[in-house]
Amino acid sequence: QVQLQQWGAGLLKPSETLSLTCAVYGESFSGYYWNWIRQPPGRGLEWVGEINHSGSTNYNPSLKSRVTLSVDTSKNQFSLKLTSVTAADTAVYYCARLVGAANFDYWGQGTLVTVSS
Amino acid sequence: EIVLTQSPGTLSSSPGERATLSCRASQSVSSTYLAWYQQKPGQTPRLLIYGASNRATGIPDRFSGSGSGTDFTLTISRLEPEDFAVYYCQQYGSSPLTFGGGTKVEIK
Repeated sequence: QVQLQQWGAGLLKPSETLSLTCAVYGESFSGYYWNWIRQPPGRGLEWVGEINHSGSTNYNPSLKSRVTLSVDTSKNQFSLKLTSVTAADTAVYYCARLVGAANFDYWGQGTLVTVSS
Repeated sequence: EIVLTQSPGTLSSSPGERATLSCRASQSVSSTYLAWYQQKPGQTPRLLIYGASNRATGIPDRFSGSGSGTDFTLTISRLEPEDFAVYYCQQYGSSPLTFGGGTKVEIK
């Protein structure tokens, strides 16, 4: 059974850097793209970006200048850093596994990140 | 970027009724890369349909997906109380991956 467990700081001030990590259990880390998706309160889903086991990445162009994804294959973990956050970055952030290069079958539990001065 | 437009924004229906949700793409999407998710309040999205018409593991057969090109449909044949939720379509036939804005299915 695949499980994704995520963690990171939940309260940030404007201009700080958001940092989240997602650990993958019960499945090989290779062979998939591992993704971050966010959802502002009361709103829809927005794709942030993806990374595979070798570190190949794809980012949402709307966030590309501020996002960095990284991977630690020794720990089966991948991480998200989003710089210069503003209130507009307040959202629940999910990690998820992309299967078949097409859709998400396993999700982390979500982390609410609030940006407030 | 492919924009996915879902309609209606809100669907008010009663248990036992049929629900038809639409997802229209701004450009053609390969059916292979079109999926539907269900999200209940406070919960993580759940994959319902992948490849436009294939039910994910454990999804009841009252859920069905259809469509091709720019027009896709999620149908719930008979609404059960647990089906009242928000539904999102998603595509990755073209980068960036995008989601529709969602359709909320609420109890009439």
